[in-house]
Amino acid sequence: GDSVTQMEGPVTLSEEAFLTINCTYTATGYPSLFWYVQYPGEGLQLLLKATKADDKGSNKGFEATYRKETTSFHLEKGSVQVSDSAVYFCALSDKGNTDKLIFGTGTRLQVFP
Amino acid sequence: DGGITQSPKYLFRKEGQNVTLSCEQNLNHDAMYWYRQDPGQGLRLIYYSQIVNDFQKGDIAEGYSVSREKKESFPLTVTSAQKNPTAFYLCASSPNLVAANGEQYFGPGTRLTVT
Repeated sequence: GDSVTQMEGPVTLSEEAFLTINCTYTATGYPSLFWYVQYPGEGLQLLLKATKADDKGSNKGFEATYRKETTSFHLEKGSVQVSDSAVYFCALSDKGNTDKLIFGTGTRLQVFP
Repeated sequence: DGGITQSPKYLFRKEGQNVTLSCEQNLNHDAMYWYRQDPGQGLRLIYYSQIVNDFQKGDIAEGYSVSREKKESFPLTVTSAQKNPTAFYLCASSPNLVAANGEQYFGPGTRLTVT
């Protein structure tokens, strides 16, 4: 079945460091891909999305490119802030196969001043 | 302000008791979802509903029940048959089929502790 694999955390960085959180997927159809963020004690919020191969999603300085050849959707940010500390979830929605979101296990990011 | 509300934020129950978690949305969304979040396991879908008076089981429906009598409301009952009910429960909604849109809007969650 469809699945999403994320790198395990926590990822610990100093402020202004470069961030990469890896995400790869398995899907039988043509998925849309998403990154959601969960700040402490809150629900999830959509951070960015991409609906087809080679699309780049971007928001709040974060970006991710839909790579069909490597089945990946890695999240990057050039300079993280303490306020970016949260749990990040990669997810897919397989348009041809299901009407549900499939989530990865989440990656905790901790940014220190 | 439009959004999703879940109440209460923290809930404590004794083993063997049923408990109902509330989820209300004023976004006029057709679809609503319940997820369970456990450490290291991400989100797992319990039930979802695409329209009033209709709902489907997700991946881990055993020990749970839902109803969808109104578009705005999608309460989740955790029954005594659920073997490991202690978890963080998240409710979400979306305008229509996820596959067509992809974005779900989440509530703040309810942390249930059963002892």
